[in-house]
Amino acid sequence: EPEVTQTPSHQVTQMGQEVILRCVPISNHLYFYWYRQILGQKVEFLVSFYNNEISEKSEIFDDQFSVERPDGSNFTLKIRSTKLEDSAMYFCASSEEGLGNQPQHFGDGTRLSIL
Amino acid sequence: AQTVTQSQPEMSVQEAETVTLSCTYDTSESDYYLFWYKQPPSRQMILVIRQEAYKQQNATENRFSVNFQKAAKSFSLKISDSQLGDAAMYFCAYSPNSGNTPLVFGKGTRLSVIA
Repeated sequence: EPEVTQTPSHQVTQMGQEVILRCVPISNHLYFYWYRQILGQKVEFLVSFYNNEISEKSEIFDDQFSVERPDGSNFTLKIRSTKLEDSAMYFCASSEEGLGNQPQHFGDGTRLSIL
Repeated sequence: AQTVTQSQPEMSVQEAETVTLSCTYDTSESDYYLFWYKQPPSRQMILVIRQEAYKQQNATENRFSVNFQKAAKSFSLKISDSQLGDAAMYFCAYSPNSGNTPLVFGKGTRLSVIA
């Protein structure tokens, strides 16, 4: 069964540095999402992406964040200048369509640790 | 704003027994979808079961079933004949049926299965 894959599984970065988290969505999916989960807290929506542009973003997704689909297969999340509070699990998800009934398929996540 | 509440941070069940995980939500929408996701220690979130709000019949997937009470905004998950492999974090999630909509998650319930 096709899966969403994320790399790396764990990223350790110094505060203030840029970090790029990578995701390969399921190949025939058209809608892509990033979520994050701070330790002990709920999974929170960051951004959704369709047709090469952001379709929705949360308050968390400020100017430090950006997303890109550089080559038709990868879907990346960039944090420009990391802060301690960016430490979290980051999950990528994809779905065939954007309707509420379409299940989102999640990757294993990337654990981001900011020192 | 929609919210999802899981009031049980942790639950445990004996192998082969039945357990019910609670979830309540708040929304002003009339058409929406509810999901239960399972996140085992391997981290990937897997869709367990899905319920469409306009369907009165409770969804069932093998040993997993839901008790959907629309008026009470309650969506509990029942796991019958619990198995060791059911041990995981379980997240309840909500999505309105409109456009490219992100999931709204609860904080999760950690389920332990005792042999």
